[in-house]
Amino acid sequence: EAGVAQSPRYKIIEKRQSVAFWCNPISGHATLYWYQQILGQGPKLLIQFQNNGVVDDSQLPKDRFSAERLKGVDSTLKIQPAKLEDSAVYLCASSLDLSGGDEQFFGPGTRLTVL
Amino acid sequence: KNQVEQSPQSLIILEGKNCTLQCNYTVSPFSNLRWYKQDTGRGPVSLTIMTFSENTKSNGRYTATLDADTKQSSLHITASQLSDSASYICVVSPYSGGGADGLTFGKGTHLIIQP
Repeated sequence: EAGVAQSPRYKIIEKRQSVAFWCNPISGHATLYWYQQILGQGPKLLIQFQNNGVVDDSQLPKDRFSAERLKGVDSTLKIQPAKLEDSAVYLCASSLDLSGGDEQFFGPGTRLTVL
Repeated sequence: KNQVEQSPQSLIILEGKNCTLQCNYTVSPFSNLRWYKQDTGRGPVSLTIMTFSENTKSNGRYTATLDADTKQSSLHITASQLSDSASYICVVSPYSGGGADGLTFGKGTHLIIQP
């Protein structure tokens, strides 16, 4: 079974520039999550989708971050404009659905460095 | 406020030795606790998941214990191998669902196995 795919794996940009990350979840997984993991910290949920609808985006800095999952499969996360404090690993995860204690499967992450 | 505290923050042991990682939580109500292994440059991978009624669960050389009364969990690694070098993250969920709602992540224990 193919895992969660993310690209790019690494990205270096200057502050105030824009950047986009892409995630392809495991086939058939209805729920998709984007996390931000700052060095030395545990992952922090940014946004959660159920199919193409947003379930929780309470911790997404909406003034600069946006995410979409138009067809309920792939998802993109965008930062515009980036700040120094956005330097982190952005993890995408997916699970079958919201019920029954489904395990979340994580992708390899995109490491963003903002200079 | 729901919190998950892990200790030690980092640990170095010799190959072949055993070690135990600790996780204390204040998440309430409690549904399940998960231990993830995160290799450098990779996303977290689930090792074990335990519900309120489970005291111990094993996955190969990894054994997790849970004391729901004292709100403590431990992850014991037996006969460590170089490939065990990673960060180990404790995650507590207050809901029976598998979604990220309310998931509280610890900061992880960084384990280094030396030959």
